[in-house]
Amino acid sequence: DADVTQTPRNRITKTGKRIMLECSQTKGHDRMYWYRQDPGLGLRLIYYSFDVKDINKGEISDGYSVSRQAQAKFSLSLESAIPNQTALYFCATSDPGGVTDTQYFGPGTRLTVL
Amino acid sequence: AQTVTQSQPEMSVQEAETVTLSCTYDTSESDYYLFWYKQPPSRQMILVIRQEAYKQQNATENRFSVNFQKAAKSFSLKISDSQLGDAAMYFCAYRSLDQTGANNLFFGTGTRLTVIP
Repeated sequence: DADVTQTPRNRITKTGKRIMLECSQTKGHDRMYWYRQDPGLGLRLIYYSFDVKDINKGEISDGYSVSRQAQAKFSLSLESAIPNQTALYFCATSDPGGVTDTQYFGPGTRLTVL
Repeated sequence: AQTVTQSQPEMSVQEAETVTLSCTYDTSESDYYLFWYKQPPSRQMILVIRQEAYKQQNATENRFSVNFQKAAKSFSLKISDSQLGDAAMYFCAYRSLDQTGANNLFFGTGTRLTVIP
């Protein structure tokens, strides 16, 4: 089984709808991240969490919110989706005690907002 | 914020040949980490290799090796004996050693590698 899973893998929604993307991990890592990938722009950080009680904004947090339900679960919400939030979304985890605190990624969720 | 530049949007290589992907970065920090990630058509981001800036020795992982030039702020990836499965988008990434920040990765825009049979 994959260490980091994301659901759904693909989602098409309409402008104004509320959307939740979910991330689960079995790696036992405390740190979790949400990134967004746009064509030609690489990945950019939306939110990150160093433990269940710690939530922090990243570079592009406007229009997004997150919830850390447990060490293993970190959800990303779009309260009112807009077309320019169409992108590929990645969840990642890391262990600060591990070598270089390497981040391991989930398979991504492709979100299309019409 | 740190910037990472990959100046080659696309590269191609013959199967079994060697190819080098370029990456430069801008930082004022002396200690940091550098990574190369591979993204095949499956979209999964897969760690290829990592380098700690305080280590002078270049990292190697089987057919993958890096040429880390700290003074030049350059971090290139060499793929030897290229295989069809190496075809993917390759991203260079930087991470600060500063534990007070987000510890997030700063990514380049990627290089699409095509392997020609």
